[in-house]
Amino acid sequence: QVHMVESGGGVVQPGRSLRLSCVASGFTFRNFGTHWVRQAPGRGLEWVAGISDDATGQSYIDSVRGRFTISRDNSKNTLYLQMASLRPEDTAVYFCAKEHGSFDGFDIWGQGTMVTVSS
Amino acid sequence: EIVLTQSPDFQSVTPKEKVTITCRASQSIGSRLHWYQQKPDQSPKLLIKSASQSMSGVPSRFSGSGSGTDFTLTINSLEAEDAAAYYCHQTSSLPYTFGQGTKLDIK
Repeated sequence: QVHMVESGGGVVQPGRSLRLSCVASGFTFRNFGTHWVRQAPGRGLEWVAGISDDATGQSYIDSVRGRFTISRDNSKNTLYLQMASLRPEDTAVYFCAKEHGSFDGFDIWGQGTMVTVSS
Repeated sequence: EIVLTQSPDFQSVTPKEKVTITCRASQSIGSRLHWYQQKPDQSPKLLIKSASQSMSGVPSRFSGSGSGTDFTLTINSLEAEDAAAYYCHQTSSLPYTFGQGTKLDIK
């Protein structure tokens, strides 16, 4: 079974930090680019960050660049999102997802983990 | 940033109807356009990749077409289980972006 399972969400005060993890199984994790996508309550999907299969390339949406860091540990089949200086507008369900192939869509998604930024 | 604009935002349809959802890109993206279905409280599911390639296990009533800036997702003979939100997504250039979504309600 192919799975991606996120963890690490929760309620955090503005300005604080949080680290999300996503453990993959059922496929060769090191062969695929992976991404974080978020969805604010009642809203649409927003791509947040992506990392190449070998971790040599990372990309971010402007609103999180400099605050969020995406990384991966291929020996542990795990994707991470380190989030700092959190803002109320970062409140969302965060999904991890894998590319089907280079420039392809995202074929495997986790169930999501909720991050709430509130005082 | 490439902006994807979907139409319509919402549609109420009856079973067996044919549904067409369009996605327009603010600049040419070739065929790097993908379609997802998201049901309430679920993760998105990839239906169509690269504009027109159906993913394994996706019912044949779903099809995609288009290239450049104009794309279409067609659902032939809609079924009740197709009630969901549908999103287009481009991977032509960073930052990757999604359309705002189209919500399908089944009468």
